[in-house]
Amino acid sequence: AQTVTQSQPEMSVQEAETVTLSCTYDTSESDYYLFWYKQPPSRQMILVIRQEAYKQQNATENRFSVNFQKAAKSFSLKISDSQLGDAAMYFCAYRVQGAQKLVFGQGTRLTINP
Amino acid sequence: NAGVTQTPKFQVLKTGQSMTLQCAQDMNHEYMSWYRQDPGMGLRLIHYSVGAGITDQGEVPNGYNVSRSTTEDFPLRLLSAAPSQTSVYFCASKYRGEAGYTFGSGTRLTVV
Repeated sequence: AQTVTQSQPEMSVQEAETVTLSCTYDTSESDYYLFWYKQPPSRQMILVIRQEAYKQQNATENRFSVNFQKAAKSFSLKISDSQLGDAAMYFCAYRVQGAQKLVFGQGTRLTINP
Repeated sequence: NAGVTQTPKFQVLKTGQSMTLQCAQDMNHEYMSWYRQDPGMGLRLIHYSVGAGITDQGEVPNGYNVSRSTTEDFPLRLLSAAPSQTSVYFCASKYRGEAGYTFGSGTRLTVV
């Protein structure tokens, strides 16, 4: 079964510091995508960053970057220079290439302390 | 370009009532999906569609029906609401070759 596990239900960080959110997944597939979605209090699901499994280079989007370890099935999100607007639930998700189903982790609630 | 639009944003139903959650997208996306989000859990797939006239079941389809008569619309029907269907419902869409889905803002449904 394909599962996604986020072992940190809650995290907090001081504004301007760096925080890393963890995600592990279980799959027997070789071609897949990994995503981090942000859900602020507005409830909107916002795509933060994505990674194609065939790419060895870690994806980056401005202050957001990932550490993708395919052999270890690990996909962590690093947020640099944390801002108050980064406070949200963060969900790690996985999708097999060619399939429609997104498999989500349980989420990590990130608090930014001013 | 409004993206993915869901209506209503909030709804309270009595057990046994029926209703339709609406989802529309104006991006000409082929693929559309419905997810539910429950406390302490991530989103789970209810039903999905890869094009007009084509739908299939996801992980938790019981108690829900869908249809896809147009590319733009993908309504989710609750035939006889149950308290277990209290949840936040998200509609999402994407192009065929695109990796990630674009989500609507969700509908919070309470069944009493």
